[in-house]
Amino acid sequence: SQELEQSPQSLIVQEGKNLTINCTSSKTLYGLYWYKQKYGEGLIFLMMLQKGGEEKSHEKITAKLDEKKQQSSLHITASQPSHAGIYLCGADMNRDDKIIFGKGTRLHILP
Amino acid sequence: EAGVTQFPSHSVIEKGQTVTLRCDPISGHDNLYWYRRVMGKEIKFLLHFVKESKQDESGMPNNRFLAERTGGTYSTLKVQPAELEDSGVYFCASSLGIGDRFTYEQYFGPGTRLTVT
Repeated sequence: SQELEQSPQSLIVQEGKNLTINCTSSKTLYGLYWYKQKYGEGLIFLMMLQKGGEEKSHEKITAKLDEKKQQSSLHITASQPSHAGIYLCGADMNRDDKIIFGKGTRLHILP
Repeated sequence: EAGVTQFPSHSVIEKGQTVTLRCDPISGHDNLYWYRRVMGKEIKFLLHFVKESKQDESGMPNNRFLAERTGGTYSTLKVQPAELEDSGVYFCASSLGIGDRFTYEQYFGPGTRLTVT
């Protein structure tokens, strides 16, 4: 079974619209990572969350970890073509520095 | 500051041959990790070095894979002999040393795309 569920798998959004990507675990997370991958390229670090209720922002991207530390959401405000790509959530579930990844969300931005 | 670099970016080899992938972490990062993504699957952890020591190699698929990090700087991942199922993208990541925090940001390289024919 999938330890980290990411949804939706794919998302098509009109430029300028807001969107949210979710990442859910059945276990408490000790570290939650968000990465972005451009097609065929490496993973770009966006942010890492560790504390329940923690929220971080990077330009127009905001990520939050819930109080129970089992769910995170990534929100993009006023999406732009440069936001297109694959968004990956990853988690340290066992305090062992080993990231377990979700399957990713493929984001398309329509002009 | 230079990020994590990996070489080569692509490699195409025949089944049974040997391939060596290289990773140069961010300068000063004691932790180095190898991950891979095979077709249609999630990115999976392979192993973790702290300086030159293997901290965790629980994700290594079998003994055809050998990782080294001599001197605690760059690392190599050798696949010998390569099999078809080894095809995929191999990522390297690095993070700062372990202190009072148990989790540090891991920064990834661009990956090496390995194709075994």
